[in-house]
Amino acid sequence: DIQMTQSPSSLSASVGDRVTITCRASQRISNYLNWYQHKPGKAPKVLIHTASSLQSGVPSRFSGSGSGTDFTLTISSLQPEDFATYYCQQAYTTPLTFGGGTNVEIK
Amino acid sequence: EVQLVESGGDLVQPGRSLRLSCAASGFTFDDYAMHWVRQRPGKGLEWVSGISWNSGSTVYADSVKGRFTISRDNAENSLYLQMNSPRPEDTALYYCVKDTKSIVPKQWLGHFDYWGQGTLVTVSS
Repeated sequence: DIQMTQSPSSLSASVGDRVTITCRASQRISNYLNWYQHKPGKAPKVLIHTASSLQSGVPSRFSGSGSGTDFTLTISSLQPEDFATYYCQQAYTTPLTFGGGTNVEIK
Repeated sequence: EVQLVESGGDLVQPGRSLRLSCAASGFTFDDYAMHWVRQRPGKGLEWVSGISWNSGSTVYADSVKGRFTISRDNAENSLYLQMNSPRPEDTALYYCVKDTKSIVPKQWLGHFDYWGQGTLVTVSS
């Protein structure tokens, strides 16, 4: 199975900050990497698919990059509604696997 | 508007059975593969199982293989998860999830575009 490792597991940031979350795959997965946002009590929401494609309706302050084994989710200017947990997911092969999550908290 | 509404979550004793359901609306259900994803208390997301549009193929995480069965009824726009011999470690919030593809091949290359709100399963004596 492909293991997905996210870092950091949590971070504190202020509104307006630039935030970067990284995700590493245990083997090469080309650009088949998705990012999801999950708020407590809500359904998770896809932000980015295929490493860098912004899902329709998602604000442009979210961006993704990477290929192979190393990927990044960037929030260019953190907004109050962005405080949540973020997960990467490899889409390369079943079983589908997620990273452990990054909890973005208010500083 | 796409809606996925899970039901059937409950307190169940280890070794008993439970069936989860998901009612789908707002899209052509039989065009898409569907999945179950769970979140154990205090933990991250874990993919459980997926099924192709016509039930022709099903895939499972190793942690549930042989105990859980995914199925669907396209006439009823419904997805199911039969949980046999559940264990305490199956305690989780179970989400019904829509795929962007119609099949779930070994090399999936898809993503999940809609999720339900989840149904809670507690396995305890």
